[in-house]
Amino acid sequence: GAGVSQTPSNKVTEKGKYVELRCDPISGHTALYWYRQSLGQGPEFLIYFQGTGAADDSGLPNDRFFAVRPEGSVSTLKIQRTERGDSAVYLCASSYSSGANVLTFGAGSRLTVL
Amino acid sequence: GENVEQHPSTLSVQEGDSAVIKCTYSDSASNYFPWYKQELGKRPQLIIDIRSNVGEKKDQRIAVTLNKTAKHFSLHITETQPEDSAVYFCAASKGAGNMLTFGGGTRLMVKP
Repeated sequence: GAGVSQTPSNKVTEKGKYVELRCDPISGHTALYWYRQSLGQGPEFLIYFQGTGAADDSGLPNDRFFAVRPEGSVSTLKIQRTERGDSAVYLCASSYSSGANVLTFGAGSRLTVL
Repeated sequence: GENVEQHPSTLSVQEGDSAVIKCTYSDSASNYFPWYKQELGKRPQLIIDIRSNVGEKKDQRIAVTLNKTAKHFSLHITETQPEDSAVYFCAASKGAGNMLTFGGGTRLMVKP
């Protein structure tokens, strides 16, 4: 596609529920990143994929968070047993390869946990 | 890990004036420093970046300077316009395949 696409754009859920957020990167981009942005703060790194494998998942806050990219394109961020503190905008970015640092961001998925 | 500090957190300038935003980083291995502009409710967009083999880069009204010894870099916007109003984020990375660490952001307001 023309840009990084994220769905849903907004998600409201109740504490304890399971949530999936989807990212469709720019066609041909092999590197994919997930970031979390809380209100008034800079994006915080969660996980980075090179192809199908997670090259760096050091930013995932705990084992309730998991992400997959089974075919090296679309990625899904999965959050189990959501907590109110998980409320944030989840940003996805992609780049042409792991050798390129120029990231193109999606518009984000705003998650609100009630 | 890397830590990026950004100042000021808010900056208000008159249209036509210059604006300067400063960032410091902690990891001397970092070698790539982009700046992103984020308008309200929109995605961050890259406006300029600099690599550690140069000290300054310019693109029209925007320039970035890098001091590797002091581990700080700055964004300079000249002849500011109301459409420059946004939140600006600096970031640092150790290069290819490494994630960006972002600063906390600067809300720039340009008054007409």
